[in-house]
Amino acid sequence: EPEVTQTPSHQVTQMGQEVILRCVPISNHLYFYWYRQILGQKVEFLVSFYNNEISEKSEIFDDQFSVERPDGSNFTLKIRSTKLEDSAMYFCASSVKGGNTEAFFGQGTRLTVV
Amino acid sequence: GENVEQHPSTLSVQEGDSAVIKCTYSDSASNYFPWYKQELGKRPQLIIDIRSNVGEKKDQRIAVTLNKTAKHFSLHITETQPEDSAVYFCAAQEHGMKTSYDKVIFGPGTSLSVIP
Repeated sequence: EPEVTQTPSHQVTQMGQEVILRCVPISNHLYFYWYRQILGQKVEFLVSFYNNEISEKSEIFDDQFSVERPDGSNFTLKIRSTKLEDSAMYFCASSVKGGNTEAFFGQGTRLTVV
Repeated sequence: GENVEQHPSTLSVQEGDSAVIKCTYSDSASNYFPWYKQELGKRPQLIIDIRSNVGEKKDQRIAVTLNKTAKHFSLHITETQPEDSAVYFCAAQEHGMKTSYDKVIFGPGTSLSVIP
């Protein structure tokens, strides 16, 4: 069964450093998302991406965050200057289309900022 | 924007009993309501969903109901088993500024424990 895959599974970084989280969505999916989950809390929407541009973003997704689809398969989330409060599990998701369809989640990248 | 509330935050039931989790949403334009199960340390996985043109949907031991007028929706698990223990998130799909895609807003989650 096709899956969304994310790398790395765990990333530890120094505060102030840049990190790039990588995702390979399911191949025929057109809509891509990043969510984050702080330990023990709910899943929070960060950004959605379609047709090579951001379609929606939350207030969490400030100027420190960016997304990119550098080639036909990868979808990346970059955090330019990490803060302690960026420590969370980051989930990538994809769906065939945007409305009323299931979003498939990757296994997540646990980001720890020290 | 959309806001999803969920109750209870924790729920313990005896194996074989039923479990009910209730959610409310704020945006009357939301029209897709998925439920996700998240086991410890794992990804959220869709277990059932319901669209606004349907009032109830059932899949084996799991059922969801939707009351669009009241903006309520609920998850019902019957004959619970220990492997049902997990965190369950309800969600509502909010219409974005453009029409071709939406974002899913999650509730705060319910930690279900099924006691053998």
